Amino acid sequence: AQSVTQPDIHITVSEGASLELRCNYSYGATPYLFWYVQSPGQGLQLLLKYFSGDTLVQGIKGFEAEFKRSQSSFNLRKPSVHWSDAAEYFCAVASNQAGTALIFGKGTTLSVSS
Amino acid sequence: GAVVSQHPSRVICKSGTSVKIECRSLDFQATTMFWYRQFPKQSLMLMATSNEGSKATYEQGVEKDKFLINHASLTLSTLTVTSAHPEDSSFYICSVSGLHTGELFFGEGSRLTVL
Repeated sequence: AQSVTQPDIHITVSEGASLELRCNYSYGATPYLFWYVQSPGQGLQLLLKYFSGDTLVQGIKGFEAEFKRSQSSFNLRKPSVHWSDAAEYFCAVASNQAGTALIFGKGTTLSVSS
Repeated sequence: GAVVSQHPSRVICKSGTSVKIECRSLDFQATTMFWYRQFPKQSLMLMATSNEGSKATYEQGVEKDKFLINHASLTLSTLTVTSAHPEDSSFYICSVSGLHTGELFFGEGSRLTVL
């Protein structure tokens, strides 16, 4: 069965510092991988996604993620965090078949200190 | 990407009443929609897969008689929480499967509070 693990429940980063949020997945074939961000009381916003090709994926708001098949990981990174990045971040996986749902990790709460 | 609209965004109801949440795909016809539930400070849990013109497929542990899903048209799926109780208070989010593999578009969510 597909599953997603986000090992870090809560991370605090100083403004301007770099960020890495971890995501590990379990899936039999090559999955489709996603990172979403959710501000309190809001819906989901897609940051980036990986389907195939270049394993380093660029997203919105200066985020990037790297797919590492050997480690079953899809970690999210940002070189310099802004206070507005404080939010909940979800990693998700889906199969490569149309019409299948996303399976989400439990999320990582990012706090940004000044 | 597709535009997905959910209504209402917030609803408060009394215990024992039923609440209907609508999910509309505004700019393309969606044969498949998904309903998720999110408890405070928790992840999104898939409740059911809604297919146009057929019965919804529910995930294990989700009561199909309590959470009625209807996907009567290619642009509208509804989730009805029947005989709502305070433990049903949650954030409900729908998503629409796009035309291409791996595409999934989310509504803004509906926050249900049952008093």
